[in-house]
Parts: sequence; structure tokens; C-alpha cells
Amino acid sequence: DQQVKQNSPSLSVQEGRISILNCDYTNSMFDYFLWYKKYPAEGPTFLISISSIKDKNEDGRFTVFLNKSAKHLSLHIVPSQPGDSAVYFCAASDPGTYKYIFGTGTRLKVLA
Amino acid sequence: DTAVSQTPKYLVTQMGNDKSIKCEQNLGHDTMYWYKQDSKKFLKIMFSYNNKELIINETVPNRFSPKSPDKAHLNLHINSLELGDSAVYFCASSLGPKNTEAFFGQGTRLTVV
Repeated sequence: DQQVKQNSPSLSVQEGRISILNCDYTNSMFDYFLWYKKYPAEGPTFLISISSIKDKNEDGRFTVFLNKSAKHLSLHIVPSQPGDSAVYFCAASDPGTYKYIFGTGTRLKVLA
Repeated sequence: DTAVSQTPKYLVTQMGNDKSIKCEQNLGHDTMYWYKQDSKKFLKIMFSYNNKELIINETVPNRFSPKSPDKAHLNLHINSLELGDSAVYFCASSLGPKNTEAFFGQGTRLTVV
């Protein structure tokens, strides 16, 4: 049973436009959420995180929004750049088990 | 200077063999992890150690055994390798076990033939 879901396996966006990647979760006990970026043949790289006590966190071109009532988070990248083309994973921290549970990833392609 | 390094990067071996993957982190973190990314690209936790103590032990075959000789190292030993063990294995570390980002190694692609 997948507790963290990324329903869009892929997304294409024009350079300079906004990329919006979505993530849904089922466990309301999750208290910390993270986004990772992964290039082929490399390990995931941490991008940005958000605690469940916040609804927004911003770092440069990257903003994460958390809607606890909907159990939904999203990652906004503005403006998108070709170097942003990668697979993006969202992850949730389960405070009861110490686990980070990952979504299945969304492949973002930014077109020049 | 690599923060989380794992060796080897590629490992091709025959069924039935025993192999180890090594992981070292130089970040001074207390917590280390092993993740498996299967053919469907799911990243699943296998094990986690905090200060050399096992805190996560997922339902994996007991052919898989982690060993943490010190806080900076977490090795993964696999006995009697099977075809289904073929995957990419990622080591990671974090400051602590909760609410902090994990830093990943580059991965080890294991192919069992």
C-alpha cells in the first residue's frame, strides 16, 4: 500500500515557465516532508523540506506548499531551467517508525 | 570530497554468491540507511542505524545483513544472491533519525546473473 503517491509519472514544461510537481499522502501522522531530485546514475539530492507546522517553504526558485487537510504537497519551480530536468521524488517522515517513505517519482523535462 | 560514498558502483555476480557493499559518510551524522530501488523505481527503506544501533529493520530476507562498525560506516552483506536481488542499492545518512534531510550516496547497481 503506497502511502506516498506521485500520480504524474512525467511532466514537460517550457524553459522559463513554472513547473508544478504534486504529491499526495495517506498518513496524517507524517510530520516532515522532503523533495529530492535525481539524475540518472546518481543518488537522490535533497532539494527542500517542510515541517507539518508550516504550509509553505521557499528556497530560491523552489517553493514547497503543504495542504494538510488535503494531505497534499506540491513543489513549484520558477523559472524552470533545462538543468532542472530530472526525476523528482517526494518523501514523508513517519515519526513513529523513523522511516522516510518515498513516492514513485515524477520525471520532469524542461524544454529549451 | 564525497559526503556519502559507497563501493562498488557496479557489481555483477552469479547467483548463489555472497557479496558486500560498503558505505562511508564523512558528515559526522548519527544515522545511516540502506535503500533499495527496484525495477519499478520504488525507493524502499531496508535498514537504518542510529549511533550504531539498528532502528529500522524492514521485512527483507535474512540473507541481507547490515553491519555498522562505527557511526561513519554501514555495510550491507548479502548471502546466497538471487536474481530478484538485482536492483540499485543506495546508502544514505542524516543528522538524526527524524525530521532532517538524508544525504544519499551514488548508488550501487547490483546485477545477479
